[in-house]
Amino acid sequence: GAGVSQSPSNKVTEKGKDVELRCDPISGHTALYWYRQSLGQGLEFLIYFQGNSAPDKSGLPSDRFSAERTGGSVSTLTIQRTQQEDSAVYLCASSSWTGTGNSPLHFGNGTRLTVT
Amino acid sequence: AQSVTQLDSQVPVFEEAPVELRCNYSSSVSVYLFWYVQYPNQGLQLLLKYLSGSTLVESINGFEAEFNKSQTSFHLRKPSVHISDTAEYFCAVSDKGAQKLVFGQGTRLTINP
Repeated sequence: GAGVSQSPSNKVTEKGKDVELRCDPISGHTALYWYRQSLGQGLEFLIYFQGNSAPDKSGLPSDRFSAERTGGSVSTLTIQRTQQEDSAVYLCASSSWTGTGNSPLHFGNGTRLTVT
Repeated sequence: AQSVTQLDSQVPVFEEAPVELRCNYSSSVSVYLFWYVQYPNQGLQLLLKYLSGSTLVESINGFEAEFNKSQTSFHLRKPSVHISDTAEYFCAVSDKGAQKLVFGQGTRLTINP
């Protein structure tokens, strides 16, 4: 079956522009995560969605970052007024909901964002 | 808040040598533990996980990891590595009852012939 799909795979934007990154999770997975992978920084948690519950936004680095998930499926991560420090690979992952945190994550291949 | 420390950012080893990638986590509450692997130009994928039961868990390609509660560690080992094991390895932890998965900084394993 299809895995987690992210688009675009690469995005180059000018400083100050807004960008939207898209994630299509695995069908039937109710949990969806966004992480940011920067060189030497590992994976930084950004935001987590589970079903219709309020998302866990505790990892969003500033109010320039926002995300939504429509219809419990596709998610969009939006970065407004991009800065050079936003350059990174943005990873989306999904998992089935178990209520206990033991379900492994399935990752997409990421969107490489470069802010010039 | 939970945090994960991978003490080595890079580990170079020779082919067929043993390797240990270290991982320590901060929380003392009940946890689930994972190792993920990212091969060159590929996405992250699950390597192995500890949920409960035996503290020693194994992957299909010869890696193993041992959960040590007293030392809050989950080190990854392989007795004899292959060139194909070249990748970046990430340790991750979630608190039981919480869905949020916290990752370490990653360890880049380089295998030299």
